[in-house]
Amino acid sequence: AIQMTQSPSSLSASVGQRVTITCRASQGIRNDLGWFQQKPGKAPKFLIYAASSLQSGVPSRFSGSGSGTDFTLTISSLQPEDFATYYCLQDYNYPRTFGQGTKVEI
Amino acid sequence: EVQLVESGGGLVQPGGSLRLSCTASGFSFSSYWMSWARQAPGKGLEWVANIKQDGSEKNYVDSVKGRFTISRDNAKNSLYLQMNSLRVEDTAVYYCVKETVVVAGLDYWGQGTLVTVSS
Repeated sequence: AIQMTQSPSSLSASVGQRVTITCRASQGIRNDLGWFQQKPGKAPKFLIYAASSLQSGVPSRFSGSGSGTDFTLTISSLQPEDFATYYCLQDYNYPRTFGQGTKVEI
Repeated sequence: EVQLVESGGGLVQPGGSLRLSCTASGFSFSSYWMSWARQAPGKGLEWVANIKQDGSEKNYVDSVKGRFTISRDNAKNSLYLQMNSLRVEDTAVYYCVKETVVVAGLDYWGQGTLVTVSS
């Protein structure tokens, strides 16, 4: 199975700060990657598909980039409601695999 | 509004069985792949299985192959996960997930149902 490794595992940032989360695949996955946000006690929310396309209704401060093995999720100006854990997901082949998560603390 | 409501979770002994159900509404259920994902307490997300619109294709994570079976009933707008030979490590919140056509498109998630495997 393809291994997805996120970094950092956690970070602290201030409101208004730019935040970048990295996800690395153990093999090339083209751009077959998505990003999800999960708040405590809630179901995950779908943010980005195909590495860089924003899901409908997601604020434009979220963006994704990358291809092959290295991907990033960027929050351009962190808001209080962005406190959450973020996961990447590879959809290149089965079994789909998530990264271990990055916890963003305000 | 898309709604996915899971049921069937609970406490079961190791080696036991449980059947999870998910009732879908607010979209054309028969038109979409559906998935199950899970999250062990305090841990990250794990994709478990998915099923094609007509049930003709199914995929599983290796750790559940031969023990779990995903199925669906399009007439009842329902998704199922039959879990046999349960292990302590299967303890998790299980989420029913609607897929969409885009890459990694797990676009709607239920609230989850807790399965606890313990003696």
